[in-house]
Amino acid sequence: DIQMTQSPSTLSASVGDRVTITCRASQSISSWLAWYQQKPGKAPKVLIYKASTLESGVPSRFSGSGSGTEFTLTISSLQPDDFATYYCQQYNSYSTFGQGTKVEI
Amino acid sequence: QVQLVQSGAEVKKPGASVKVSCRASGYTFTNYAIHWVRQAPGQSLEWMGWIDAGNGRTKYSQEFQGRVTITRDTSASTANMELSSLRSGDTAVYYCSRGIWARSGWYHFDSWGQGTQVTVSS
Repeated sequence: DIQMTQSPSTLSASVGDRVTITCRASQSISSWLAWYQQKPGKAPKVLIYKASTLESGVPSRFSGSGSGTEFTLTISSLQPDDFATYYCQQYNSYSTFGQGTKVEI
Repeated sequence: QVQLVQSGAEVKKPGASVKVSCRASGYTFTNYAIHWVRQAPGQSLEWMGWIDAGNGRTKYSQEFQGRVTITRDTSASTANMELSSLRSGDTAVYYCSRGIWARSGWYHFDSWGQGTQVTVSS
């Protein structure tokens, strides 16, 4: 099984900050990685797929990079609507999610 | 627009089974896979399995093999997930999601149902 490890688990930030979340895979997953945003009581929403492709309708302040085993999600200027929990998902073999990163004020 | 609408909350006793449905609209149901993902309270997301809505082929996580069955009814554009031999650790929100196929042979998920709370308690 491929394990996904996110860091940090919690991130305190302010509106306007540049925020970076890291996701590491236990083995190479090429670029088969997606990022999701989840707010309390709601379903996840895809932001990025294939490591760096922005889902239609997602603001351009979100970006993704990486390949192999190390990936990052960057929010260039944090907005009030961005306070949420973020998950990475590998889909190279089956599907596994990271443990999540909560972005809080 | 793509919509996945799930059935309502369930309360079950240990050892029982639960069946959650997911009705799709806004796209051709048989052209996509439907996946099931669950989330225990305060925990991350856990992939359970998927069904090819076109040919009915299924694949399940080893974690749930033997306990989970995913089916589909193409006439109703609905996918169903049944989980048996329930235990307290199965208490979670269960989501269906539409899979977007990748050349890896696996999927990311572009649309999600609203979630169904399943509570297992004696």
